[in-house]
Amino acid sequence: AQSVTQLDSQVPVFEEAPVELRCNYSSSVSVYLFWYVQYPNQGLQLLLKYLSGSTLVKGINGFEAEFNKSQTSFHLRKPSVHISDTAEYFCAVKAAGNKLTFGGGTRVLVKP
Amino acid sequence: KAGVTQTPRYLIKTRGQQVTLSCSPISGHRSVSWYQQTPGQGLQFLFEYFSETQRNKGNFPGRFSGRQFSNSRSEMNVSTLELGDSALYLCASSPTYRADQETQYFGPGTRLLVL
Repeated sequence: AQSVTQLDSQVPVFEEAPVELRCNYSSSVSVYLFWYVQYPNQGLQLLLKYLSGSTLVKGINGFEAEFNKSQTSFHLRKPSVHISDTAEYFCAVKAAGNKLTFGGGTRVLVKP
Repeated sequence: KAGVTQTPRYLIKTRGQQVTLSCSPISGHRSVSWYQQTPGQGLQFLFEYFSETQRNKGNFPGRFSGRQFSNSRSEMNVSTLELGDSALYLCASSPTYRADQETQYFGPGTRLLVL
């Protein structure tokens, strides 16, 4: 079985400041890793994913994440946030052929 | 390419009724998964279908059921609705090509309110 912990439930940040959202996971098998964003009253949009290869993954809207196998982490970063980045962010893991398991989410509030 | 579509987008039902939600996957995707999202429990997996067969199932009571048709469209049904079934129901589809078959693409969801 897999589990995901998002260490911060809320992250307030000023516009144009950097942000890091932390995600740790637990699994006895190899997993694939994902970050999704959910804007108010919408579904989930895929930001980026790690399937294999380079541990630094670049996604949409200027986000990137780094897979660290030894620390079982997949933290999401953006060097400079915009007001439009205000949303809830979900980290998720999936073993091959299994269900997608989500963390509890991190609400990002970008302040002007 | 059109994304995952879900109908209806909003639904109000009363306790004891039943409801059917529909999901059309991205063209060419054969795997469809369903999730329930609530403020208290977060995102929870309901079930996954591939080529009309249920491949995985979450820990939900038998009141929750689903099916997939030959065109990959999927429906989920909830019978004897309870207040706690009020939630956003999300559908996701996955491609079948090996390099990306583990990636799920989500629809906008159906928001169900049970009164």
